[in-house]
Amino acid sequence: DAMVIQNPRYQVTQFGKPVTLSCSQTLNHNVMYWYQQKSSQAPKLLFHYYDKDFNNEADTPDNFQSRRPNTSFCFLDIRSPGLGDAAMYLCATSRVTHGTDTQYFGPGTRLTVL
Amino acid sequence: AQSVTQLGSHVSVSEGALVLLRCNYSSSVPPYLFWYVQYPNQGLQLLLKYTTGATLVKGINGFEAEFKKSETSFHLTKPSAHMSDAAEYFCAVSGSSGTYKYIFGTGTRLKVLA
Repeated sequence: DAMVIQNPRYQVTQFGKPVTLSCSQTLNHNVMYWYQQKSSQAPKLLFHYYDKDFNNEADTPDNFQSRRPNTSFCFLDIRSPGLGDAAMYLCATSRVTHGTDTQYFGPGTRLTVL
Repeated sequence: AQSVTQLGSHVSVSEGALVLLRCNYSSSVPPYLFWYVQYPNQGLQLLLKYTTGATLVKGINGFEAEFKKSETSFHLTKPSAHMSDAAEYFCAVSGSSGTYKYIFGTGTRLKVLA
């Protein structure tokens, strides 16, 4: 089945130790999104790739970066995680042509910062 | 500008009772509207969406929603709640004219009582 896959599902890191979260998709969608979701809150968009074009949200901290080496894969890098970065990180994809379209979400990676 | 308001951060219903989760939106362009469900430690799963056409939209798991332009609403209903419906529900809006980012509501946690 076509899907959005996130690895790992659970990640534990230490304060200040860089961490990379992975997302892959078999849907061949041109847009990939990264969201941060804290407990009992709505997902907050960090950035997205429209094809190869990177789009950062204005309030996304510099500590967060992303790479999209090809259509299928997208990575979220947190350079120096702080305690406040502990959250669920969700990857989503959509096929955007002339307008918006449905976003399909992965299962998420829960990040713990010690 | 677009916005979404979900009335009631927590809703409790008895098993077998009607489920009604409220969503009101604001949009300066014809909206696309979505309902997603999130179970603990999982990603968001699409329940249903409205883009154009029929205003009563049927989704998975027996849920449906009606787009009411005059009331700027897109409430989610299910005739008979099941224990497995206990989850967090998010309403989202996106513009139909090329805006491919979602604006999420704050979510409603549904509790189903035996």
